[in-house]
This record gives sequence, C-alpha cells and structure tokens, in this order.
Amino acid sequence: ETGVTQTPRHLVMGMTNKKSLKCEQHLGHNAMYWYKQSAKKPLELMFVYSLEERVENNSVPSRFSPECPNSSHLFLHLHTLQPEDSALYLCASSQVFWGTGELFFGEGSRLTVL
Amino acid sequence: SQQGEEDPQALSIQEGENATMNCSYKTSINNLQWYRQNSGRGLVHLILIRSNEREKHSGRLRVTLDTSKKSSSLLITASRAADTASYFCATGSSNTGKLIFGQGTTLQVKP
Repeated sequence: ETGVTQTPRHLVMGMTNKKSLKCEQHLGHNAMYWYKQSAKKPLELMFVYSLEERVENNSVPSRFSPECPNSSHLFLHLHTLQPEDSALYLCASSQVFWGTGELFFGEGSRLTVL
Repeated sequence: SQQGEEDPQALSIQEGENATMNCSYKTSINNLQWYRQNSGRGLVHLILIRSNEREKHSGRLRVTLDTSKKSSSLLITASRAADTASYFCATGSSNTGKLIFGQGTTLQVKP
C-alpha cells in the first residue's frame, strides 16, 4: 500500500477509443503529477497540479487531457491515441509543489494502444 | 538538459557483493534523490541528499554527492536477490524545484 492508488492497472484500447486513468492519493498532499514511462527512456513529466490548479503542461499532445477535481484525485483522459502512446503511466503526489521532499508514486497504469 | 544520467545502464552481481551506481547531472541542484522500481511497479523513494550534504546512509544504502563534479553515487552493500530492480536518480533544480529523472540502472542480483 503506497498511499497512491491508480486504476486501472492495465488498459488495452483502440486508437479511436476514449478511456480514463484515475489516481487517488490518501496522503493529504497538495501536489499531484502524471509521468509517462516508455521502454528505454527516462520518465517524462506530463502534467503537474498544485492545489487543483494545473501548473505545468509539458508540451503534451492534446489527446491527453488531465483533470484534477480536488486535491485527492487526478484523472488522465485519453482520446484517439497512437500506438507510440503505449507506456506505463505513473501518478505521483508530494506534500508541496516541487518541494524539496520526495514523490510518492502509484503502481502505474500499463496502457497498450492497438 | 538537467536530467541525471546513470552509469552503468545494467549491472549484474552475486548475492552478498556490493553494487555501485553513479549519476551525473548538468545544472545546479538543491537536492538529489534515488528511487527504486521493481519490474512493472511504481517507483519507491530510497534516499534524498541535499546539495550541502556530502554523504548519507540509510540501512545498507550509502549515497555520496559531489557538487563540484555534478555527480552522485549509490552504494548498496551486501546485496540480496530482493534488491533486483531498476534504480533512478532524480535531480531537483535549484531554479525551478522541478524533479527530473534519469534513465536508470538495472540491477540484477543473482542468488
């Protein structure tokens, strides 16, 4: 139990589907992050939310749409994805936005785009 | 870019041996962190060292930081098969605070 829960753990979708990834943190943190992890590449920061406000959008294609309805929940809405979007999507949280402390990660959602 | 670069990319050792992984970075940092990731799982924070610290210990882990060389090392002593995982360094920018991850070192510890 990491304190950050991601669902679903595995997702297979076609290029025309619409799906969502969900992240929930039970740690009382104020910042939440989406990272993308592809094979043989460093973790790529996608979005950052601090106190429910998006503070970073790291040049992510519009087919990825984040939503943060409250400080405990973060969604990543997926639409018309490409096969190269297949990856492990990791959610993380921290007590303070880009503070000097650690990030707490969920177990990830493994996405396969056919 | 700021991101850390780990060396080696892959390391295979016998149980009981020590494992050393290195991380180099390019810009000014306020902290450097090490994370572990078991296959297909999320990342777990191991240790954080601040820019004004030179060495830090946590159990079998020892981290050093040399800001003049912009490098850090992670030493795992008396390794166990359960230490098999990927290890990532992450640097916290002193300008933006942003945490950027390297590509990681894959460690295999053979029983």
